Amino acid sequence: QKEVEQDPGPLSVPEGAIVSLNCTYSNSAFQYFMWYRQYSRKGPELLMYTYSSGNKEDGRFTAQVDKSSKYISLFIRDSQPSDSATYLCAMSVGNQFYFGTGTSLTVIP
Amino acid sequence: DTEVTQTPKHLVMGMTNKKSLKCEQHMGHRAMYWYKQKAKKPPELMFVYSYEKLSINESVPSRFSPECPNSSLLNLHLHALQPEDSALYLCASSHRQGLNTEAFFGQGTRLTVV
Repeated sequence: QKEVEQDPGPLSVPEGAIVSLNCTYSNSAFQYFMWYRQYSRKGPELLMYTYSSGNKEDGRFTAQVDKSSKYISLFIRDSQPSDSATYLCAMSVGNQFYFGTGTSLTVIP
Repeated sequence: DTEVTQTPKHLVMGMTNKKSLKCEQHMGHRAMYWYKQKAKKPPELMFVYSYEKLSINESVPSRFSPECPNSSLLNLHLHALQPEDSALYLCASSHRQGLNTEAFFGQGTRLTVV
């Protein structure tokens, strides 16, 4: 079993839709949870990070962590074509980072 | 400034060439990383430097040789690479080893070995 599981998609939604991206994990030692956005042929860009259960909001993005279920989510409201990218979840314990496989998202105008 | 700068952006090299990838950050981070990423795959860890010392080597072939000249710079020296080494090479940094924190990535060097 992989440490971090993420549905690779692809996911295709119309502009303005609410997008939900999810990851599950098996290691209860993970302390820090991150979401990265990666455009084609570019490096991952840190979108959000959190270390506690609950919700964290930043503009159109909301990160949600449920440590009891070992489940994290990223919600994108009012999705835009510029949100089309691959979204990677990542988790860390100490300075070891574990990545999901990434979900490819396309927002159709 | 949350920027990690990598040069060059693109590199094409022959199997007998020697080249170096460079990475720089000025965020005061004391942990720096090299990752390799193939298309449609997540980044794979290669090396971790903590306080300018190599702390993790994920059994990377010796044709890849990392170097950390100071706390802001990280190099990856390449020699006698194989075509299967073609990939996006990513540098990242975080506050310091052992502290739960987020990692910041550079834009990567797209390497093609011919």
